[in-house]
Amino acid sequence: DIVMTQSPLSLSVTPGEPASISCKSTQSLLHSNGNTRMTWYLHRPGQSPHLLIYLTSNRASGVPDRFSGSGSGTDFTLKISKVEAEDVGIYYCMQGLQTPYTFGQGTKLEIK
Amino acid sequence: EVHLVEAGGGLVQPGRSLRLSCAASGLSFSNYWFHWVRQAPGKGPVWVARINEDGGITNYADFAQGRFSISRDNARNTLHLEMNSLRAEDTAVYFCVVDMSGARDRWGQGTLVTVSS
Repeated sequence: DIVMTQSPLSLSVTPGEPASISCKSTQSLLHSNGNTRMTWYLHRPGQSPHLLIYLTSNRASGVPDRFSGSGSGTDFTLKISKVEAEDVGIYYCMQGLQTPYTFGQGTKLEIK
Repeated sequence: EVHLVEAGGGLVQPGRSLRLSCAASGLSFSNYWFHWVRQAPGKGPVWVARINEDGGITNYADFAQGRFSISRDNARNTLHLEMNSLRAEDTAVYFCVVDMSGARDRWGQGTLVTVSS
C-alpha cells in the first residue's frame, strides 16, 4: 500500500497569514495517463470532508483561489495564501493512484 | 447540485450483518465510479471499496475483502454496501463518495454504524 505522510500535524495561524502543509507518498503518484493522483480534502467540524484540490493542483469548484496545490512524484504541498477563520478544520491528503486509496494522518489547522 | 444520502446505519451486534444504501441525485449516476469510505471516531478517513460505472469492477480494502460487498442499482441511482461478520472495529461513520479524487468528488453526510453487544 502507498503510505501518505503529512506534516505538520497541527498548525496555529493568525488570520491573514499564510499556511503550508506537506504530504509525501512512498511511491510516485504519476499515472500512466500523465496525471498525478494527489487529492486534498478539508474536513470541517460537523461536516463531511469536501474536496479542495484534485490532480495535484486543480481547485475544486467553489474553492477560493487562496488555496493552491503543487508538487510532483512523491512530494506535494497545499498552500493557503492568507488564512481565514473559515479555514479551520483537518486537512487530509489522499492518493487516488491505486487501491487501496490511502490518506495522510491529517493536519489540524487552528486560528490564533 | 449533487446530493448523496446514506442510510441503513445503526447499532448491530458483533457477527451480524448490515446493509447500507446511498441515494444519489443531481448527477448522471451511471457515469461515475462510486466509493465507500469510513471514519472511526477520532480517526482519519479510511477507504473501504469502490465500484465502476456498470458494476462489473469492484475493489476492496483488505479488511473488507470477503466480508463486505459493494453493489449498485443504476436504475434506482442507488449504491449499496453489504457488511457481514461485523466486528467492533467496524464501528465508524460510513460515507458514500462519487468520483473520488476527480473533479466531481462529493461526499454524503455519512451514516453511523456501531458494532457492540
